[in-house]
Amino acid sequence: DTAVSQTPKYLVTQMGNDKSIKCEQNLGHDTMYWYKQDSKKFLKIMFSYNNKELIINETVPNRFSPKSPDKAHLNLHINSLELGDSAVYFCASSQAPGGEKLFFGSGTQLSVL
Amino acid sequence: KQEVTQIPAALSVPEGENLVLNCSFTDSAIYNLQWFRQDPGKGLTSLLLIQSSQREQTSGRLNASLDKSSGRSTLYIAASQPGDSATYLCAVDTGRRALTFGSGTRLQVQP
Repeated sequence: DTAVSQTPKYLVTQMGNDKSIKCEQNLGHDTMYWYKQDSKKFLKIMFSYNNKELIINETVPNRFSPKSPDKAHLNLHINSLELGDSAVYFCASSQAPGGEKLFFGSGTQLSVL
Repeated sequence: KQEVTQIPAALSVPEGENLVLNCSFTDSAIYNLQWFRQDPGKGLTSLLLIQSSQREQTSGRLNASLDKSSGRSTLYIAASQPGDSATYLCAVDTGRRALTFGSGTRLQVQP
């Protein structure tokens, strides 16, 4: 059983397109996150939801819009994709915000051509 | 602004060696520190979580220590094995309810 699963694993698309990445966790956790790992391997927080409520919204272009239909799902929609959006996007979850172990999905490698 | 640095960036050791990975952070006001392992093409696996009130945590051959006042943590791996080859990341929680990560140490254990 995969605890945190995200799809697709690879996403190759043209500049200007709109795409979505889906994430689901079956751990019963209340908190979910989106992290971005750039080419230098730094992981940075983008968004966090707790019980479907947005609690962290970093300085991310508003072309990125997260949506949490329920506690177990957190999707990421990206409009008007740019070359600089190419990265690996990781979904993660924890029992509660802060102070808890994070469980990560296997990542979505996005390549914008 | 919290910054996390990991040294060395890469490390290659023969199997069986004991080794230490280092992590330093600029703001000592942290809630906890986590060590993760990342395998190529895969997500991160949490190895150890140290709360700010703790000095160390152990799991099997892994031992992580935390010195909040000096802004340092170490991950000690005993009797390294080829299966330990991966990138090791440390991350701190400064109360923002999200983690600030270092760029990792890429470990290669040679058989």
